[in-house]
Amino acid sequence: DAGITQSPRHKVTETGTPVTLRCHQTENHRYMYWYRQDPGHGLRLIHYSYGVKDTDKGEVSDGYSVSRSKTEDFLLTLESATSSQTSVYFCAITDRPGVTQYFGPGTRLLVL
Amino acid sequence: TQLLEQSPQFLSIQEGENLTVYCNSSSVFSSLQWYRQEPGEGPVLLVTVVTGGEVKKLKRLTFQFGDARKDSSLHITAAQPGDTGLYLCAGINDYKLSFGAGTTVTVRA
Repeated sequence: DAGITQSPRHKVTETGTPVTLRCHQTENHRYMYWYRQDPGHGLRLIHYSYGVKDTDKGEVSDGYSVSRSKTEDFLLTLESATSSQTSVYFCAITDRPGVTQYFGPGTRLLVL
Repeated sequence: TQLLEQSPQFLSIQEGENLTVYCNSSSVFSSLQWYRQEPGEGPVLLVTVVTGGEVKKLKRLTFQFGDARKDSSLHITAAQPGDTGLYLCAGINDYKLSFGAGTTVTVRA
């Protein structure tokens, strides 16, 4: 299994509070992704990174920001959480885009 | 609007039966992947199909990529309870994946 962890694994927060999710990898893969998974929608790409300090938006990026200051860590921030951001968030990594993506175990976020 | 439509959404069958899951799109993809996801875990790649008309077999699983590279199917022969899970297709273009909503497969013993 690819060395990829996510923290926290579960979080409950209140509307309007900032939240940061962390993805950590030990594989030295260049590309990292954040997805959200909701019933009936599959996984949708939020943001991705193609190198340190190089990031770009996905299809559902509104309300989210990311940062990648070193290869192993990719942070996803909800600046002011809303109930619509209640979801399961997955991080994925790959060294070759368009080939295998390895997914983390997910973070379950509940915004009250 | 989902770029990739999967059908059926849910599938419940008895052990030993066969099943087919479909993944359809109006878009052409450079390649397509199938993932399997178990509760509480991230998706795990099963296969990547690249060539239109390609058929790949992995033990009891057969994957087919449509000639026009817009659709795909996953067929499981003699399903077992261990095949239970969420099956996701993902089309690849410009190095990014677009996922279908998934098919939840339950195989009863």
